[in-house]
Amino acid sequence: EVQLVESGGGLVQPGGSLRLSCAASGFTFTTYWMSWVRQTPGKGLEWVANIKHDGSETYYVDSVKGRFTISRDNAKNSLFLQMNSLRADDAAVYYCARDGQQVAPFDYWGQGTLVTVSS
Amino acid sequence: SYVLTQPPSVSVAPGKTATITCGGDNIGRKSVHWYQQKPGQAPVLVIYYDYDRPSGIPERFSGSNSGNTATLTITRVEAGDEADYYCQVWDGSSDHYVFGTGTKVTVL
Repeated sequence: EVQLVESGGGLVQPGGSLRLSCAASGFTFTTYWMSWVRQTPGKGLEWVANIKHDGSETYYVDSVKGRFTISRDNAKNSLFLQMNSLRADDAAVYYCARDGQQVAPFDYWGQGTLVTVSS
Repeated sequence: SYVLTQPPSVSVAPGKTATITCGGDNIGRKSVHWYQQKPGQAPVLVIYYDYDRPSGIPERFSGSNSGNTATLTITRVEAGDEADYYCQVWDGSSDHYVFGTGTKVTVL
């Protein structure tokens, strides 16, 4: 059974940093792209970033470029999102999702971790 | 950037058919995926590549895509279908994934 379990969310002040993690199991992690998708409370879904199966390529939505870094540790079946210079509009539930790459769908999602940005 | 527009809400009586649209410029040329999200839960893929159903998704869920509109249809609607539904595509011109604005389906 595919499982994605996020952790690392919490309350952070504007300008602060947070590192999200996603533990993957039930599939061959090393052969899949992975993504982070966020959802502002009460609002819609926004793709944030993704990373190639070997970590050699990464892509970001424009609003987080230069502030967020996606990475992975294939030895530990883990995905990460380092978030720096956090702003109020970064507050959201962050989901990790298995990424079929480009035209393919996000076929499995974690349960999400909540990030709150407030002073 | 590519924009996907959905009606904010759709109301349907039990046993009837719900139709959810997703509008986008020449969306018929793209592969569209649909996700169901119930309150407090993660999204679940219900239709992929316009009309395919993942295993475990009832046949009551179907999809189509042509021109400037993709459509998710839920026949014989049940109370358990009440949720938010999002369409999603890959925008090759920006190398970004794009989600629709979401539609809340209410079962009367």
